[in-house]
Amino acid sequence: DIQMTQSPSSLSASVGDRVTITCRASQSISDLNWYQQKPGKAPKLLIYAASSLQSGLPSRFSGSGSGTDFTLTISSLQPEDFATYYCQETYGTPYTFGQGTKLEIK
Amino acid sequence: QVQLQESGPGLLKPSQTLSLTCSVSGGSIRSGSYYWSWIRQPAGKGLEWIGRIYNTGNTNYHPSLKSRVTISLDTSKNQVSLNLSSVTAADTAVYYCAREDYYASGSYNYWGQGTLVTVSS
Repeated sequence: DIQMTQSPSSLSASVGDRVTITCRASQSISDLNWYQQKPGKAPKLLIYAASSLQSGLPSRFSGSGSGTDFTLTISSLQPEDFATYYCQETYGTPYTFGQGTKLEIK
Repeated sequence: QVQLQESGPGLLKPSQTLSLTCSVSGGSIRSGSYYWSWIRQPAGKGLEWIGRIYNTGNTNYHPSLKSRVTISLDTSKNQVSLNLSSVTAADTAVYYCAREDYYASGSYNYWGQGTLVTVSS
């Protein structure tokens, strides 16, 4: 199975900050998706295919990367962005998720 | 708008079989381009992919669960089912059903709200 390692595991930031979360795959992958999850809720798709913003979402979310290294960037944190973020590879089954990055208010 | 809703027993004893149903509305599970998946999340932990099924009935399962898991479709009811046999406390988690979009990098754009399953004697 492919292993996905996210960093950092947790992050404290302020409203208006620019934040970057990294996801590294144990081998080269072709597809990478990013999700946001708030407590008690299902994950929400943010970015698919590494850099495609899900329809209807604000442009402050962006994704980049290829091969084994991928990033999710939030350009200017808003109060509603404090949540846990997961990456997911879909190179082949079984799909695997990163362990999550908890974004907290500083 | 596609909606998914999980249902099933919330409490099981060790060795019993977990049976969950995902009712899909706003779209047919017979549609192509989509897989119907189950994902679980133990409390305070990350997401674990369990498996998926296509409209043809073709399935893929996580190797660690393959001997215990069955995912099936009921097209007459537009439902997807998950069966997991011989459960233990390690199977305690919130279970989600989700729709995988094959043409959007296998991403999950639609999720159920999740259902908590607790395994305890």
